[in-house]
Formats: sequence, C-alpha cells, structure tokens
Amino acid sequence: GENVEQHPSTLSVQEGDSAVIKCTYSDSASNYFPWYKQELGKRPQLIIDIRSNVGEKKDQRIAVTLNKTAKHFSLHITETQPEDSAVYFCAADRDDKIIFGKGTRLHILP
Amino acid sequence: GAGVSQSPSNKVTEKGKDVELRCDPISGHTALYWYRQSLGQGLEFLIYFQGNSAPDKSGLPSDRFSAERTGGSVSTLTIQRTQQEDSAVYLCASSDDWGRRTGELFFGEGSRLTVL
Repeated sequence: GENVEQHPSTLSVQEGDSAVIKCTYSDSASNYFPWYKQELGKRPQLIIDIRSNVGEKKDQRIAVTLNKTAKHFSLHITETQPEDSAVYFCAADRDDKIIFGKGTRLHILP
Repeated sequence: GAGVSQSPSNKVTEKGKDVELRCDPISGHTALYWYRQSLGQGLEFLIYFQGNSAPDKSGLPSDRFSAERTGGSVSTLTIQRTQQEDSAVYLCASSDDWGRRTGELFFGEGSRLTVL
C-alpha cells in the first residue's frame, strides 16, 4: 500500500524564519497531496493541497511544491509566527483514500 | 449538524471489554474515514467508506476491529476484547468527493479511548 514518509519529526525555528517539511510517497498513481495542521488539543484541518497537474501552489505565507518524478512534496512556511506552532501532516491519495505521514511537530521560538 | 460529530468524547474501559464509537458525518458527505492517533503519533488509517461501495478495511489492525456504516450516514467502530494498546484517539472524518478523486477531509473532535 501507499507509504508516506515525512521528516523531520520535530522542527524548531526562530519566529520570522522559514520552515520546510518534506514528504515522500511510494505510489506513482497518487495525484492528490494535502497538508493538514493540528493545533494542540484540536482536530486536524486542511491548510493547503496540490494536485499532480501543478508543481507549486501558494497561499499567503504557505506554499507547497511537488516533484512527481522524484515522488517528493514539501511544505514551506515563510515569516513564521507563534500561531504556526502545531503538528503538520502531509498526505497522499491511494485508491481514493487518504494516507497520512507521521507528522512534524513545529515549534516557533520567540 | 454543522460538522462531524463523534461520541463518546471520552471512554474508559477495562481490558477485555467491547467498545463502540460513533461517528455522525456531515450531511450529504459520501466518504467516511476512521483514523487512529496514538499519543504523539500520526494519523493511522483504519477503514474507508465511499457511498454504497464495499468498505476498504485494509487498515484495521486485527479482527477485533470492525466498522459499519448504516444508510450511508452514521458509522460505528467496534473494538472487541479491548487491549491496552488500543488506547488512542479515534478520529472520524467525512468528505464530499463522490465523482471526484479526493476532497477535503472534515474531522470530528475524536473519541479518546483508555483501556485500563
């Protein structure tokens, strides 16, 4: 089945710096790659997604890039703020279901 | 309701007992998922329902786990003869992606299961 590998598991960055989280997937048939943010004690929520017909997508301070040849995709957060502190999950589709990576705990340092 | 509703929010049970967890998805959503999140861990896929198709049970960790979805709406996840390693938060999500490949998942608040 689909394996989604995510790293790092923990990331600490100074407020105002950029954060990058990387994921790889195994199923070449995957076409949909969402990212979810889970704040402490809350449910995961979609923050951005990308489909395989594009290589990059931006939404304000967040962007996602996709390299289908290498089966890599990444989340980029610029000008990080305290409210960016959370666990971020990448995911990929396989047979119409969504499989998640193990998550990255992002700490924004003051 | 406005969102995905799960019950109970917390369940403490003794090892060996059976438990049932309920998920009420967003009205009209055809896809329903169950995931398990252990302390500090990721979102482990358990089972996926899509419309009237046979469910994808490939993520269920053992035959003690089962799930059903009645009338294409409410779903129940049943864990028989619970073990301590079953302790986790069980998250339900629904999606309106019929006819499309995939769509946004809307998660419930989860059911926290503690097996003593």
